[in-house]
Amino acid sequence: DSGVTQTPKHLITATGQRVTLRCSPRSGDLSVYWYQQSLDQGLQFLIQYYNGEERAKGNILERFSAQQFPDLHSELNLSSLELGDSALYFCASSVVGGRGDNEQFFGPGTRLTVL
Amino acid sequence: TQLLEQSPQFLSIQEGENLTVYCNSSSVFSSLQWYRQEPGEGPVLLVTVVTGGEVKKLKRLTFQFGDARKDSSLHITAAQPGDTGLYLCAGGNFGNEKLTFGTGTRLTIIP
Repeated sequence: DSGVTQTPKHLITATGQRVTLRCSPRSGDLSVYWYQQSLDQGLQFLIQYYNGEERAKGNILERFSAQQFPDLHSELNLSSLELGDSALYFCASSVVGGRGDNEQFFGPGTRLTVL
Repeated sequence: TQLLEQSPQFLSIQEGENLTVYCNSSSVFSSLQWYRQEPGEGPVLLVTVVTGGEVKKLKRLTFQFGDARKDSSLHITAAQPGDTGLYLCAGGNFGNEKLTFGTGTRLTIIP
């Protein structure tokens, strides 16, 4: 158990809908990262928050957004969902950001299926 | 854009055999991490190497960071069924927040 929690575990929805994925980092970790993992593209970095502020952006679509709240939990919002958004979404956390040896601890993931 | 290529993509071997997985890039990284991911779960960090030429051992697993910090290898001795999983390398750079993940090696150990 990494100490990172994600809800829900599974999510099934229809195209055009909007969903929210939730992540609670390990106690004491200030950074939260979101990743998307699909069969054909591996693990792709989406976005990072550090102590409530956006710190880095990766290949995140404009239909997707995230935020980190004062209690440090984070939410990833996916809207106007398309079939291609079906994937595993992982949250990871670390104590700090911006270090080259940045060790990240991953949650169990949310499996999103868009029908 | 920094890319990390892993080879082989798939590997299936008998229990007790040795194996090596490679992680290569044309870019230099400040650090290299290895993760193992089991089906339905998140990646679990195995090791972090930060010095060119560094070798770290974790029981039957040996990790090496290339001298030029562009590549890494993972060697498993006497593989066991519990080693089965997706192995991911990930490169990091000081001052850059994100990790760049490799393409992954799916390892299956046959009892």
